[in-house]
Amino acid sequence: DTGVSQDPRHKITKRGQNVTFRCDPISEHNRLYWYRQTLGQGPEFLTYFQNEAQLEKSRLLSDRFSAERPKGSFSTLEIQRTEQGDSAMYLCASSLEAGAYGYTFGSGTRLTVV
Amino acid sequence: AQTVTQSQPEMSVQEAETVTLSCTYDTSESDYYLFWYKQPPSRQMILVIRQEAYKQQNATENRFSVNFQKAAKSFSLKISDSQLGDAAMYFCAYRRETSGSRLTFGEGTQLTVNP
Repeated sequence: DTGVSQDPRHKITKRGQNVTFRCDPISEHNRLYWYRQTLGQGPEFLTYFQNEAQLEKSRLLSDRFSAERPKGSFSTLEIQRTEQGDSAMYLCASSLEAGAYGYTFGSGTRLTVV
Repeated sequence: AQTVTQSQPEMSVQEAETVTLSCTYDTSESDYYLFWYKQPPSRQMILVIRQEAYKQQNATENRFSVNFQKAAKSFSLKISDSQLGDAAMYFCAYRRETSGSRLTFGEGTQLTVNP
């Protein structure tokens, strides 16, 4: 297991289209997080899962955003009816359940809405 | 709500010299964790160093060390013997002690290392 994988690395879409991103966490990590990062800013929390349960969602996660983690393994983040303001880097991270552990991040998916 | 502030948008250092990046945070919690992450141009965030708030001893990882001042809510990162590969965006981050809680990031400091 080489770390957290995200697919695709880059996505260009037209405004109004739907997009879906995938994240494969480190296999023994039961926590999975989604963050959004705009250029020159720190990542902002979107949502997190413990196993298959979505335990917390940010107010940033509008009703156009949905995330799933079926069977507690990989996760998907879908954005419906994309807007130009959705253009950002979407980062996935995973962690062990407890302790002073930081996250292990993936390389991110760069979304550009044109 | 917890906030993390990095007041230096950009810093530069000469190769082999030492540089200190600043971070302050605001919290009402007594137990928490602090982190420094590095994000090179490849964009993958890499954990540099972490500090448990209940530990008085400052964390050290090779050339990286922190100055943790709990009362002042300050958490600076010192990079000694800077190398060209240290050039990156550095983010300070806070996490509550509660298991699984989110990381809250600062705005970042862009570090340039000059040869």
